[in-house]
Amino acid sequence: EADIYQTPRYLVIGTGKKITLECSQTMGHDKMYWYQQDPGMELHLIHYSYGVNSTEKGDLSSESTVSRIRTEHFPLTLESARPSHTSQYLCASSELGMGSNTEAFFGQGTRLTVV
Amino acid sequence: AQSVTQLGSHVSVSEGALVLLRCNYSSSVPPYLFWYVQYPNQGLQLLLKYTSAATLVKGINGFEAEFKKSETSFHLTKPSAHMSDAAEYFCAVSDTGRRALTFGSGTRLQVQP
Repeated sequence: EADIYQTPRYLVIGTGKKITLECSQTMGHDKMYWYQQDPGMELHLIHYSYGVNSTEKGDLSSESTVSRIRTEHFPLTLESARPSHTSQYLCASSELGMGSNTEAFFGQGTRLTVV
Repeated sequence: AQSVTQLGSHVSVSEGALVLLRCNYSSSVPPYLFWYVQYPNQGLQLLLKYTSAATLVKGINGFEAEFKKSETSFHLTKPSAHMSDAAEYFCAVSDTGRRALTFGSGTRLQVQP
């Protein structure tokens, strides 16, 4: 079944650790996104990608980095986690070339806590 | 740039009552608008989308939304609330420049028995 997967679902990690949040989709979508969702629910775009080897920063400044080496895979990395990175991270994908009426499909999210 | 504003961060209704969640948009071009629902500890699920084919859009779980250009609104309604409707609801607009979705701040819907 075509879907979008995020791992881990929950992560508690110490300050200064390097972490990678995984996101994979089996829908063949070219566009992928990372949103950060704060405790007040609001979602902020932090990274997006049009396709392989294409990445752009979003609205919210983030110390995280992303890569897009394969179409289906869009991992997010924090080199040195801090408590201010505590949040929920949502990965999404959408089809390219259908115009901007195309919806995004979301993974279940990774809830990150940095202690 | 396009944006959406959701009025009311929390809405509480009784089971069986009308649900009305408000969303107003700002866009210099005809917008593409979406409503998403988020259940606890889950990602976002598409409820419905407006793509200019019809002003009244029907979605899943009995929800619908009406696009009103004169009011720049895209309010979400459901005639009769069910306990399972309790969730977070997000209105979103598609940014034609980036083809990424810009979300409103969300509305938490509570359904009282």
